[in-house]
Amino acid sequence: NAGVTQTPKFRILKIGQSMTLQCTQDMNHNYMYWYRQDPGMGLKLIYYSVGAGITDKGEVPNGYNVSRSTTEDFPLRLELAAPSQTSVYFCASSDQGLSQPQHFGDGTRLSIL
Amino acid sequence: AQTVTQSQPEMSVQEAETVTLSCTYDTSESDYYLFWYKQPPSRQMILVIRQEAYKQQNATENRFSVNFQKAAKSFSLKISDSQLGDAAMYFCAYLRADKLIFGTGTRLQVFP
Repeated sequence: NAGVTQTPKFRILKIGQSMTLQCTQDMNHNYMYWYRQDPGMGLKLIYYSVGAGITDKGEVPNGYNVSRSTTEDFPLRLELAAPSQTSVYFCASSDQGLSQPQHFGDGTRLSIL
Repeated sequence: AQTVTQSQPEMSVQEAETVTLSCTYDTSESDYYLFWYKQPPSRQMILVIRQEAYKQQNATENRFSVNFQKAAKSFSLKISDSQLGDAAMYFCAYLRADKLIFGTGTRLQVFP
């Protein structure tokens, strides 16, 4: 089972560049999430989605955008990369909401230089 | 504001021994969920155990158990018969409505 797949695993961006972090899940989960993890810190919720066509802001949404056109995919977009966005990004999904176990991807390590 | 505090940046335990990781949280809510997640060097987040606040009974999953003290807002994780594979970062997390709040983590080292 693939579970939650994130691509790429590593990326270096220049300040001001844009990119999309891809996340796909094959478990038919309705709920999907994007987190960032800064060094020495826990995860912080950026955006989440409770189903196709529905997204909402989490704790730290500034500088990011998301879309959810299908159940499987939940890409995260950085429009103007800034050094403060250097972090490890995790995508996760769950069957019925945050009270259910979340399945995490392996993370994307992003560096903005 | 809801916060989660893990006051032990690092802990160590000898193989086969027992270790307890501390977590406190701040909330004014009465209904919520608490979690412990494990993050090994592979970076993947793995759910260890979950506690529902309205349940007084402490959750248990094999060698992992919690001591949930609702009045004290404390949610510690006990790992019994520690194994080398238990070495990882452990994160305590609090859930209310749509927000999952993580603590800063405790790095657990296991010595043979």
